[in-house]
Amino acid sequence: GAVVSQHPSWVICKSGTSVKIECRSLDFQATTMFWYRQFPKQSLMLMATSNEGSKATYEQGVEKDKFLINHASLTLSTLTVTSAHPEDSSFYICSARYPGVGETQYFGPGTRLLVL
Amino acid sequence: DAKTTQPPSMDCAEGRAANLPCNHSTISGNEYVYWYRQIHSQGPQYIIHGLKNNETNEMASLIITEDRKSSTLILPHATLRDTAVYYCIVRAEKLTFGTGTRLTIIP
Repeated sequence: GAVVSQHPSWVICKSGTSVKIECRSLDFQATTMFWYRQFPKQSLMLMATSNEGSKATYEQGVEKDKFLINHASLTLSTLTVTSAHPEDSSFYICSARYPGVGETQYFGPGTRLLVL
Repeated sequence: DAKTTQPPSMDCAEGRAANLPCNHSTISGNEYVYWYRQIHSQGPQYIIHGLKNNETNEMASLIITEDRKSSTLILPHATLRDTAVYYCIVRAEKLTFGTGTRLTIIP
């Protein structure tokens, strides 16, 4: 099946610093990737849609200047949490859309961010 | 995307078939029914999807009613590793996750 990886799997950072999370589709090319956030005991919440070669589309209430998304190639999208604060601590998950009928999305294993 | 309704939790005995229902009465003609599951602290895992025909793969079967207003995911022989939150999603463009069904497999 299609494999999506994320790096790092977990990160601890100080308040005010920036953190970059990478999402890679390992065995297929993805023109569209998605970034989700999940707080404890809650469901996944879509943050933004990342399109290769163009600007990301953010969901309502998600600050685009705080969560910078770059989709520079067909296999890599990055999410940078700028000036992180403790309330940004969460589980960040990406997915990549597999080309073809139905365009199934495959998810990465997630990145746990803890901001101190 | 159409909204889905799932029971919040279900139990199933190990080795038995787990049948997870989902209602999606507002589904439109071009929307697929997708099932994912999320085991604790992991990313969601794709299980199966369908448009109007029943589907089967190595993990599960998906039964979609003729009017497409509901579906059932069937795990034929549940194991302890199938304990997870199962999400039924109807999508045209994006996946919108609801609260899902927490399935617990009982030894």
